[in-house]
Amino acid sequence: EIVMTQSPATLSVSPGERATLSCRASQSVSSSLAWYQQKPGQAPGLLIYGASTRATGIPARFSGSGSGTEFTLTISSLQSEDFAVYYCQQYNKWPRTFGQGTKVEFK
Amino acid sequence: EVQLVESGGGLVQPGGSLRLSCAASGFTFSSFGMSWVRQAPGKGLEWVSYITSSSNVIYYADSVKGRFTISRDNAKDSLYLQMDSLRDGDTAVYYCARGSFDNAGFYFCDYWGQGTLVTVSS
Repeated sequence: EIVMTQSPATLSVSPGERATLSCRASQSVSSSLAWYQQKPGQAPGLLIYGASTRATGIPARFSGSGSGTEFTLTISSLQSEDFAVYYCQQYNKWPRTFGQGTKVEFK
Repeated sequence: EVQLVESGGGLVQPGGSLRLSCAASGFTFSSFGMSWVRQAPGKGLEWVSYITSSSNVIYYADSVKGRFTISRDNAKDSLYLQMDSLRDGDTAVYYCARGSFDNAGFYFCDYWGQGTLVTVSS
């Protein structure tokens, strides 16, 4: 199975700052990469699919990039509602696999 | 508005069985593949199973293969997960999720339900 590795595990950021989250796949997943946001007590919500396409209603401050094995989620100017856990997931091969998550916390 | 509502969770003893349901609304259920994804308390996400819109293709994670059975009833707009031989490690919130295809033809989860908690304990 494809192993997804996210870094860092925790990212401390101040509101208004830029946040950069990384996701690495153990083998190429082409552009079949999604990012999800999860807030405490809530279900995950889709942010990005196809490595760089924002889902419906997702603000432009969220952007995704990368292909193959290296991917990045960037939040250009962190808002208070963006403090959450972010997961990447590859959907190129079965079984679908998730990274372990990056927690974006208030600095 | 797409809505997915899971039910059927609860406390079950190791070795026991449970059947989860997911009621879908706000979209043409019979046109979409569906998945189950779980999350153990305080842990990350783990994909469990997938079924195509017509039930002709099914996948399972190795951790549940042979113990869990995914199914659907398109006439009832419902997805199911029959869980047998439950273990402590199956304790988790179980989410159902709708699948969509990206431009390259690969399936990903776009909408998720709020989840139902399954606790396996004696």
